Amino acid sequence: EAGVTQSPTHLIKTRGQQATLRCSPISGHTSVYWYQQALGLGLQFLLWYDEGEERNRGNFPPRFSGRQFPNYSSELNVNALELEDSALYLCASSLDLAGLPGAQYFGPGTRLLVL
Amino acid sequence: GESVGLHLPTLSVQEGDNSIINCAYSNSASDYFIWYKQESGKGPQFIIDIRSNMDKRQGQRVTVLLNKTVKHLSLQIAATQPGDSAVYFCAEANSNTGNQFYFGTGTSLTVIP
Repeated sequence: EAGVTQSPTHLIKTRGQQATLRCSPISGHTSVYWYQQALGLGLQFLLWYDEGEERNRGNFPPRFSGRQFPNYSSELNVNALELEDSALYLCASSLDLAGLPGAQYFGPGTRLLVL
Repeated sequence: GESVGLHLPTLSVQEGDNSIINCAYSNSASDYFIWYKQESGKGPQFIIDIRSNMDKRQGQRVTVLLNKTVKHLSLQIAATQPGDSAVYFCAEANSNTGNQFYFGTGTSLTVIP
């Protein structure tokens, strides 16, 4: 069974540009989560999508946005990139357990570098 | 607010010894916990999980212990191998907030051959 996949693996942008990161969940998983992991820091929750809807977002500015497609894949968009957006962006997916927390399985991440 | 922390930021063990990595959590309502392993440049890898109706769960060479009284979680790795070298971190969630997880910053485990 294929795990969570993310693309691209690396992305280099300049300040002010826009970045789009993509994620495909494990087959059968309906929830997708995005996290930011800056160097030396823990995972910071960005966004949670389930059944095509945004369920929750973390403490990030509106220029971080995303969506989930009918096939449950997702993309994260970051507008007006800033230097401090440089980080590893991780996507995770989980099963819907009728409200109970379910194990989140992570992809390999997209390393974003903003110059 | 939520906080999930680790007692030790780094841990070095000899190959073949057992490793114990600890995690403290602050939310007494948390009822689901996961341990992850993250190797350099890779995404976190699920190791083992435990729900609050249990106090111990075993996997292959790993055991998770949960002490709800003192809000403490530990990961025990038996016969530690060089391939176990990585950052380990815990995550907590509770049924009231659904799939909102809070993650610790991690403990870096180094296995000395």
